[in-house]
Amino acid sequence: DVKVTQSSRYLVKRTGEKVFLECVQDMDHENMFWYRQDPGLGLRLIYFSYDVKMKEKGDIPEGYSVSREKKERFSLILESASTNQTSMYLCASNYLDSIYGYTFGSGTRLTVV
Amino acid sequence: GENVEQHPSTLSVQEGDSAVIKCTYSDSASNYFPWYKQELGKRPQLIIDIRSNVGEKKDQRIAVTLNKTAKHFSLHITETQPEDSAVYFCAARDNFGNEKLTFGTGTRLTIIP
Repeated sequence: DVKVTQSSRYLVKRTGEKVFLECVQDMDHENMFWYRQDPGLGLRLIYFSYDVKMKEKGDIPEGYSVSREKKERFSLILESASTNQTSMYLCASNYLDSIYGYTFGSGTRLTVV
Repeated sequence: GENVEQHPSTLSVQEGDSAVIKCTYSDSASNYFPWYKQELGKRPQLIIDIRSNVGEKKDQRIAVTLNKTAKHFSLHITETQPEDSAVYFCAARDNFGNEKLTFGTGTRLTIIP
């Protein structure tokens, strides 16, 4: 069973802090994604990566960066957290050219105060 | 880029009745359309998907239909049960060689016993 693990279920950070959200998958997936989920807005893509050290901007990359130094790990970085980044963050992964959909992690609920 | 619209945002049906959720997409090159179910406090899970070379797909009580000409696709749930209560998301994937999904804004389905 594919597992996508997000390191924290809940986080509370202060405005201006640098925040790291970690995601690890154990099935050798090439593709990894970061989405944020907000009520009424659905899931919006922040960044994705299809290979180690490769990254592509999604629809809402402003205020975020990512790192993928190893195939199994994809980190989302909030350089200077702001209150409008309070949200649920979901990591997902799948194989390149997969016939299957994503496998999602359980999510990290981030609150910036 | 792709834009996916989903309706309705909330839907309540009597147990045993059918539920239909509709989505439209903007990019005629999109070729893969999954549906995800997210129960309260849990990760989104893929429940059914359809590809652009197929018009309809069924899996027990759920079915998805695709109209490429009109660029819309729908989720149909028959004989609804209390465990069908959840938020449902449609999504579309473009045809540009990556696995990026664009999601709709979600439908909160409530089954009334």
